Amino acid sequence: GAVVSQHPSWVICKSGTSVKIECRSLDFQATTMFWYRQFPKQSLMLMATSNEGSKATYEQGVEKDKFLINHASLTLSTLTVTSAHPEDSSFYICSARPPGLPGETQYFGPGTRLLVL
Amino acid sequence: EDQVTQSPEALRLQEGESSSLNCSYTVSGLRGLFWYRQDPGKGPEFLFTLYSAGEEKEKERLKATLTKKESFLHITAPKPEDSATYLCAVHRRNYGGSQGNLIFGKGTKLSVKP
Repeated sequence: GAVVSQHPSWVICKSGTSVKIECRSLDFQATTMFWYRQFPKQSLMLMATSNEGSKATYEQGVEKDKFLINHASLTLSTLTVTSAHPEDSSFYICSARPPGLPGETQYFGPGTRLLVL
Repeated sequence: EDQVTQSPEALRLQEGESSSLNCSYTVSGLRGLFWYRQDPGKGPEFLFTLYSAGEEKEKERLKATLTKKESFLHITAPKPEDSATYLCAVHRRNYGGSQGNLIFGKGTKLSVKP
C-alpha cells in the first residue's frame, strides 16, 4: 500500500514553454500532497504544500505564479512549471501522507526529471 | 537556523563490512526523525521514523537509533543491494518557517562492493 506515482518520469522542453507534472496517490486518498525539488548532490527542498480544494502554500523564495499547483481531487495534484528556463532543470518529486500513519510520515513518488533546453 | 547534517558524504564498504551513518540535527522542537533510502533517479523510499531519544528501530540489516542531537543508521553485514543514498529528515514542531515542515539532509551515498 501507500503508492505514489508521477507522470511523466522525464521531460525535455524548450525554454519558454510550460510543463505539467502529475502526482497521484494510487491506493489512498490524500488531502495534502507535497512538491519537492532536488538539484544534484543537494537536499530535497520543499517547494509547496498542495491542499485539496484550496490554494497551495508556497515556501519562501518559490514563485507561485511560475510553479502552479492544482489539487483537483483527493488522489491527484499537478505542478505546472510555466515559462520554463534552463535554471528550472531539476528533479521534481511529490509526496503524500497516507491516512492512519503517525506524524509526518510521507511516501514519495518516483520523481520527474525536467531538462529545459 | 534549523538544519540537518549527514556524514560522511560518501561511504564505500566491502560486502559484510558493518558501519554507521550519522545524522546530526539542530531544530526547534523535534517532532520526528525520518530515514529514507533513495536509489539513483528514484524518489525516496521510507525506512524508519523515530520520535524520542533512546528509541531504536530495525529492518533487516538496518538499525536506526536516536539521541537528542543525532541519529545513527547502522548497517550490519551490508550487501551490494544496500547501495543507495540514505537520507535523513526531521520534522519540526512549528510548521510555517521558511524551510517547511520536513528538513532533509544532503544524504550519504553508500556503495557496497562484492
